[in-house]
Amino acid sequence: GAGVSQSPRYKVAKRGQDVALRCDPISGHVSLFWYQQALGQGPEFLTYFQNEAQLDKSGLPSDRFFAERPEGSVSTLKIQRTQQEDSAVYLCASSLGEARTGNTIYFGEGSWLTVV
Amino acid sequence: AQSVSQHNHHVILSEAASLELGCNYSYGGTVNLFWYVQYPGQHLQLLLKYFSGDPLVKGIKGFEAEFIKSKFSFNLRKPSVQWSDTAEYFCAVISSNTGKLIFGQGTTLQVKP
Repeated sequence: GAGVSQSPRYKVAKRGQDVALRCDPISGHVSLFWYQQALGQGPEFLTYFQNEAQLDKSGLPSDRFFAERPEGSVSTLKIQRTQQEDSAVYLCASSLGEARTGNTIYFGEGSWLTVV
Repeated sequence: AQSVSQHNHHVILSEAASLELGCNYSYGGTVNLFWYVQYPGQHLQLLLKYFSGDPLVKGIKGFEAEFIKSKFSFNLRKPSVQWSDTAEYFCAVISSNTGKLIFGQGTTLQVKP
């Protein structure tokens, strides 16, 4: 597609429920990032993939959060046993190569998660 | 640890006023710097970026930013704002070591017509 696509756009989950958020990066993009953005805050880094390899997962807030990118394209962020503090917008982003070498990072519109 | 600080959380300006949004980062090594904008209801879009060369960087929509290495700063400027510039602005930095894009808290700009 033309841009980074995320689904679902909106998700309401009951506390304790598991959720899965999908990201389709721009075709051919090697790097993929997940961010969490709480209301009124800047995006917080969660994890980073280069192709299928998860190079950095230092931002995942707990072991309830898990991300994968098994074939180096589509990625899924899974949150188990959701808690109210997980309510946020989850942003996915991709870049053609490594961002630190000059490649622009493109963001999706985000998945809005509300835990009730 | 790497961090980004944006001094102004909420800025209100009248149309045609000049804009300067502050951004400071803490990291001693080589960094790449960005400003992103998020218009209401839209996704984050890149305004401009600095990787090397001329420290004065020009971006889209008349925005520019100046990298001052000695001050660890990358302030965003626009000589004359328009109502359509109303948005959230985020400064971000990538260190050459980590490759992670780290954002500041953001500045909400409201331009009054």
